[in-house]
Amino acid sequence: NAGVTQTPKFQVLKTGQSMTLQCAQDMNHNSMYWYRQDPGMGLRLIYYSASEGTTDKGEVPNGYNVSRLNKREFSLRLESAAPSQTSVYFCASRQGQLKQYFGPGTRLTVT
Amino acid sequence: SQQGEEDPQALSIQEGENATMNCSYKTSINNLQWYRQNSGRGLVHLILIRSNEREKHSGRLRVTLDTSKKSSSLLITASRAADTASYFCATDGGGSYIPTFGRGTSLIVHP
Repeated sequence: NAGVTQTPKFQVLKTGQSMTLQCAQDMNHNSMYWYRQDPGMGLRLIYYSASEGTTDKGEVPNGYNVSRLNKREFSLRLESAAPSQTSVYFCASRQGQLKQYFGPGTRLTVT
Repeated sequence: SQQGEEDPQALSIQEGENATMNCSYKTSINNLQWYRQNSGRGLVHLILIRSNEREKHSGRLRVTLDTSKKSSSLLITASRAADTASYFCATDGGGSYIPTFGRGTSLIVHP
């Protein structure tokens, strides 16, 4: 039981490049989330998926797209990276309103 | 926008002392949860308290909830250097799938 896994752990992009952050959970959770964390800002929700087949915008969705590929996997795509997207990205999952399980994070730097 | 707000933003204590941090929120909730984040890691769930509960314990952790004041406190007794981390509260309300996080309290425990 690996919990929530994220790849990659680190990434450096140049402005304008694209990339996809991968997230998978093996706990059969319905809900999955993508957050970004910047110093002093706490966690900000980018997108979430309440169940397989649905996705919704969170607080800061601009510049991102998501795909809920199946119940296990929820990916986050940056189509044209900008320096403002330099951040640490966390994926999380949970069932109902129970506790969230977080992945280890992806540190992204956009130069 | 973030509903939960932790107080203080930073707390520095000696090993063996108790640490108290507070969380205030704005709207009615179903439950409130506390998470810990060690530097560079994902968040780890500590405790969940439901809106009809007033106090909950887990090891050296004690959480209280006052729904009339829309506030919660997390007490860590007999703190250890390993408790050094950031602590976040998160609230769930209504039928929402989206927990809202505060900006966290940074706790430093000096050995």
